[in-house]
Amino acid sequence: GQQVMQIPQYQHVQEGEDFTTYCNSSTTLSNIQWYKQRPGGHPVFLIQLVKSGEVKKQKRLTFQFGEAKKNSSLHITATQTTDVGTYFCAGLSNSGYALNFGKGTSLLVTP
Amino acid sequence: ETGVTQTPRHLVMGMTNKKSLKCEQHLGHNAMYWYKQSAKKPLELMFVYNFKEQTENNSVPSRFSPECPNSSHLFLHLHTLQPEDSALYLCASSQRVTGTGVSNVLTFGAGSRLTVL
Repeated sequence: GQQVMQIPQYQHVQEGEDFTTYCNSSTTLSNIQWYKQRPGGHPVFLIQLVKSGEVKKQKRLTFQFGEAKKNSSLHITATQTTDVGTYFCAGLSNSGYALNFGKGTSLLVTP
Repeated sequence: ETGVTQTPRHLVMGMTNKKSLKCEQHLGHNAMYWYKQSAKKPLELMFVYNFKEQTENNSVPSRFSPECPNSSHLFLHLHTLQPEDSALYLCASSQRVTGTGVSNVLTFGAGSRLTVL
């Protein structure tokens, strides 16, 4: 079945450093979504990418969708302690009726 | 408040108990989901309901029984669970689910933390 893999599993950075998480799929994705889950919280939608090669920015966050629509990345510039949490990517299941999530990348930012 | 309300927030039950988790959404969405989140398998899809019809059962054991009486309410009935079923159970909703390849954004509830003794 369709698998969505994320790396790294964990990342610890100093405040002000950059951070990138990568998402790879075994099959072509129609679109990809990114979510953030704060410690003790629930996943919250960040963005959806649909087009091949698409790049979207939200302040310090930059999201990319690969040309082949099989990979995606989230890059955070100059991390802040408020960026702490787990970042998940998600793609459609084989049935086309629900999202399958990657295992997430847990980001820890120390001041 | 996300618009998706889950109760109870915490539940402790024995292996022989029968309990239910409840989810209610106030967003006018037509699709509802159950996800299981544990340390081993974060955000594992369990069930999907689209316009009250179950469209996906992700090989979930029969000790978990979903019920969707209408588009706003979703239940997860639990019986004879195992300790390894202890996890955070997240309910989510979206406007609808289509088979055309474009998924919809999920709004999650705060989750029900289940502990099976």
